[in-house]
Amino acid sequence: TQLLEQSPQFLSIQEGENLTVYCNSSSVFSSLQWYRQEPGEGPVLLVTVVTGGEVKKLKRLTFQFGDARKDSSLHITAAQPGDTGLYLCAGISGTYKYIFGTGTRLKVLA
Amino acid sequence: ETGVTQSPTHLIKTRGQQVTLRCSSQSGHNTVSWYQQALGQGPQFIFQYYREEENGRGNFPPRFSGLQFPNYSSELNVNALELDDSALYLCASSLELAGGLDTQYFGPGTRLTVL
Repeated sequence: TQLLEQSPQFLSIQEGENLTVYCNSSSVFSSLQWYRQEPGEGPVLLVTVVTGGEVKKLKRLTFQFGDARKDSSLHITAAQPGDTGLYLCAGISGTYKYIFGTGTRLKVLA
Repeated sequence: ETGVTQSPTHLIKTRGQQVTLRCSSQSGHNTVSWYQQALGQGPQFIFQYYREEENGRGNFPPRFSGLQFPNYSSELNVNALELDDSALYLCASSLELAGGLDTQYFGPGTRLTVL
């Protein structure tokens, strides 16, 4: 069974602080995605990483795919209250199989 | 371009009943996937339909079934409801391209409560 563990599960920080969320698995994925989900809405795709070791930046968010394509991290610089939400990683195995992580609930306090 | 819509928004059923959830895909998308998201968890893949045929299935029992219609809208049917079926049910539509990695667009979900 393919599993994706995210850590931490919950995170509450002050505006302006930096944070890192981790997504780990014992399985290799062809690619990995990060989503953000807000209450009452479905997840929204933030980024897709495909190559081992790949780093992508989206404004204050930096995503990295592990060299072995088993893990990934999301780093947020100078967090803002608008970053509050549930962050989900999803590993892609095959053409249709999306394995979602357990989620990290982030709250950024003003 | 319209987004993915789902109906109903909320639903309350009792154990043993049957339920049908509906999803309208984003315009131009030919693939729909359904997920179950329990409270505090990440979504779990139920199944995917591509051009009206089931294209893949997760670890869910046969009482979870689906349909995709010629206009690419979709239904998720759950028979013999159990308490553990209480969850947010999400559908996601995408455009399947040969050799291409397509982006999934999620609907807002249907919150099902089984009493």
